[in-house]
Amino acid sequence: EVQLVESGGGLVQPGGSLRLSCAASGFTFSSYWMSWVRQAPGKGLEWVANIKQDGSEKYYVDSVKGRFTISRDNAKNSLYLQMNSLRAEDTAVYYCARGLTSSSSWYGYWGQGTLVTVSS
Amino acid sequence: DIQMTQSPSSVSASVGDRVTITCRASQGISSWLAWYQQKPGKAPKLLIYAASSLQSGVPSRFSGSGSGTDFTLTISSLQPEDFATYYCQQANSFPLITFGQGTRLEIK
Repeated sequence: EVQLVESGGGLVQPGGSLRLSCAASGFTFSSYWMSWVRQAPGKGLEWVANIKQDGSEKYYVDSVKGRFTISRDNAKNSLYLQMNSLRAEDTAVYYCARGLTSSSSWYGYWGQGTLVTVSS
Repeated sequence: DIQMTQSPSSVSASVGDRVTITCRASQGISSWLAWYQQKPGKAPKLLIYAASSLQSGVPSRFSGSGSGTDFTLTISSLQPEDFATYYCQQANSFPLITFGQGTRLEIK
């Protein structure tokens, strides 16, 4: 069974940093593109970042470029999101997501999400 | 960037009704479109991918159609468990992804 479990969320001050983790199991992690998707309170879904199977390609939504870094450790079956220079508008539930197939962007698998709150 | 616009933003309907939600892309995306259902406090659930393919385990009352710039999600006969928020998502520009703003389906 595919499982994605996020961790690392919490309360952080504006300008601060936080690192999110996503532990994957039940599939060959190194074979899949992986993504982070977020949802601000009461708002819609926003794709944040994608990373290729070997980590050689990374893509970001414009609003986080230069502040967030997606990475992965295939030996540990883990996905990460390093978030720096955090802003109030980054407050959201952050989901780790995987496609239906190795190169698919149809998000058939999601974690439960981890809440990041940016506030003083 | 490809923008996705859903309409309506919210809709009220009754159990047994037929409901249609529309998603329009700012440029042609062929059939690179998915639909998701989300209930409060839960992760989204994939319903339809490639515009019209039903995800495994999703009831057949859900269907998707369209190509190019205009797409629809239809629920043929609303059930109580279908009241939720629905999102479209384009993957034509993968690995850059865009979601629509969502359509809230409420009980009349």
